[in-house]
Amino acid sequence: AQTVTQSQPEMSVQEAETVTLSCTYDTSESDYYLFWYKQPPSRQMILVIRQEAYKQQNATENRFSVNFQKAAKSFSLKISDSQLGDAAMYFCAKIQGAQKLVFGQGTRLTINP
Amino acid sequence: KAGVTQTPRYLIKTRGQQVTLSCSPISGHRSVSWYQQTPGQGLQFLFEYFSETQRNKGNFPGRFSGRQFSNSRSEMNVSTLELGDSALYLCASSLNSGDYDEQFFGPGTRLTVL
Repeated sequence: AQTVTQSQPEMSVQEAETVTLSCTYDTSESDYYLFWYKQPPSRQMILVIRQEAYKQQNATENRFSVNFQKAAKSFSLKISDSQLGDAAMYFCAKIQGAQKLVFGQGTRLTINP
Repeated sequence: KAGVTQTPRYLIKTRGQQVTLSCSPISGHRSVSWYQQTPGQGLQFLFEYFSETQRNKGNFPGRFSGRQFSNSRSEMNVSTLELGDSALYLCASSLNSGDYDEQFFGPGTRLTVL
């Protein structure tokens, strides 16, 4: 079975600073999709950013960007200028088959004012 | 456009009972997926329905079942509830018009089994 691993159960960062969340995955596919989801205390899962494996360029969405290292099977999320509203659980996920997401265990991000 | 809705939001049941959870996808979305979230096991895929057909199934016992109606609304059923079934159940919908479409998640149903 394919796995997604997040090695940082918790992270904290000062407001306005930059933080990077790590994710590694296992796959034998050459083309696939990777995602970062945010789950705030409300429990609503929100897509933060997605990366298509065949694209060399790292995805960016405003303050959020990824460092996608295909050979190393690494997919980290960088949050710049951290804001209090960024506090949440962050899940790395990979698509497997039709619409099936495989999630990592999550990283709890705390923003210190 | 209304988001994914799930009912009920909270549910308390006792061991041995059965429960039905409902998910209404975003209008026009034809794919509905279900996930179970627990502190110990994290987020796990249950199953996915598209055009009333189950296309994909996770590694859960047969007590977990689901279905999808012609209007794309989906239900999942858990029979003979066990304490370990206490979890947040999330559903997600997508257009599924191509290779992969973004999944939009509902707010979840929190099930507590006593």
